[in-house]
Amino acid sequence: NAGVTQTPKFQVLKTGQSMTLQCAQDMNHNSMYWYRQDPGMGLRLIYYSASEGTTDKGEVPNGYNVSRLNKREFSLRLESAAPSQTSVYFCASSFTTANYGYTFGSGTRLTVV
Amino acid sequence: AQSVTQLGSHVSVSEGALVLLRCNYSSSVPPYLFWYVQYPNQGLQLLLKYTSAATLVKGINGFEAEFKKSETSFHLTKPSAHMSDAAEYFCAVSDENSGYALNFGKGTSLLVTP
Repeated sequence: NAGVTQTPKFQVLKTGQSMTLQCAQDMNHNSMYWYRQDPGMGLRLIYYSASEGTTDKGEVPNGYNVSRLNKREFSLRLESAAPSQTSVYFCASSFTTANYGYTFGSGTRLTVV
Repeated sequence: AQSVTQLGSHVSVSEGALVLLRCNYSSSVPPYLFWYVQYPNQGLQLLLKYTSAATLVKGINGFEAEFKKSETSFHLTKPSAHMSDAAEYFCAVSDENSGYALNFGKGTSLLVTP
């Protein structure tokens, strides 16, 4: 039972490059989320998808786009990476609302130089 | 909007001592409260959650937390710390108004000394 799988685990980008972070869950969860984690800042919500076919902005959406490809997959795209986007990115999923708690992936450590 | 404040970014305890990690919340409606743990270079793991049932919630690894509405608190405790408890701990809140978003505190790093 894999849970939430994120790829890649590590990535180094040059400023201005683009990339897509992939996330897939196999728990038949309806809701999926992308967070970034920075030292001393906790986790901040970037985008979320309450159900297949819907996406909404979170606290820090600027510079990112998302796609809910199907019920299992939720990708995060950086169109033009900036050093401020250096962070650890976590994908999470939940059955319905967040009140059930999340299952987290193991994270993607992204460095933008 | 709901929010949580974790008091103390770093807490140090001796092995065998009581662990107390503090979390206060702000919510205009009854909240749902969570504690997560993050071990180095790993994702977050749910320790326990409060969803309006019993106010004393027991979680994994011997941790528990008590919801106190009058104090707007949800502190995490463990009677006896183990070396393996060293990790980052996050308190989080959501409520009916937040719909689908969990708001996390900034985290407390727990150090356990021999």
